[in-house]
Amino acid sequence: SQQGEEDPQALSIQEGENATMNCSYKTSINNLQWYRQNSGRGLVHLILIRSNEREKHSGRLRVTLDTSKKSSSLLITASRAADTASYFCATDDRSNYKLTFGKGTLLTVNP
Amino acid sequence: ETGVTQTPRHLVMGMTNKKSLKCEQHLGHNAMYWYKQSAKKPLELMFVYNFKEQTENNSVPSRFSPECPNSSHLFLHLHTLQPEDSALYLCASSQVDLGVSSYEQYFGPGTRLTVT
Repeated sequence: SQQGEEDPQALSIQEGENATMNCSYKTSINNLQWYRQNSGRGLVHLILIRSNEREKHSGRLRVTLDTSKKSSSLLITASRAADTASYFCATDDRSNYKLTFGKGTLLTVNP
Repeated sequence: ETGVTQTPRHLVMGMTNKKSLKCEQHLGHNAMYWYKQSAKKPLELMFVYNFKEQTENNSVPSRFSPECPNSSHLFLHLHTLQPEDSALYLCASSQVDLGVSSYEQYFGPGTRLTVT
């Protein structure tokens, strides 16, 4: 069954604005990961947040995790046209090797 | 690049053809994965090889046959495919340590498969 569900499905913003994407999941997890995919290419890992962490930063990325609500958010600050891509959350369902991906959020950053 | 390569990048095949997709990882990982990505659907996990043993086969039709000869190479053999099998096929690798929660996966660029 599908685990992560991203929201919104699509987001269009202007360069310089912040972009926030959300992910909800159903079962217990060890960690939650965010990936980015440029059109027709492979996924690139962005950030991993463990179930005992509430917030994590990496450059212009900020990820939060609320295990009580089974939700996570990805914030991209000061967006650039090069941030245009699809963003996926992935959960591990307490497996040490398997990830379940959502359908993704398509982010378009207009110059 | 991510350290995971896939060939070919594009493949067009008829329903009666036999072809193979190849994946190679240069990261020293011990787990490799095949995923299928179709338009407007979540990424679907097809097969997992963990320490060279197949540990996952998510009800994939037998016209898809994986092979993992060693921890660095993974193949997906294709035969008598259907048009609905047209998709982007992604290979990934990761490190799996027993008793430790999952690490990130590294993806190849994918093979765009079109079945005519």
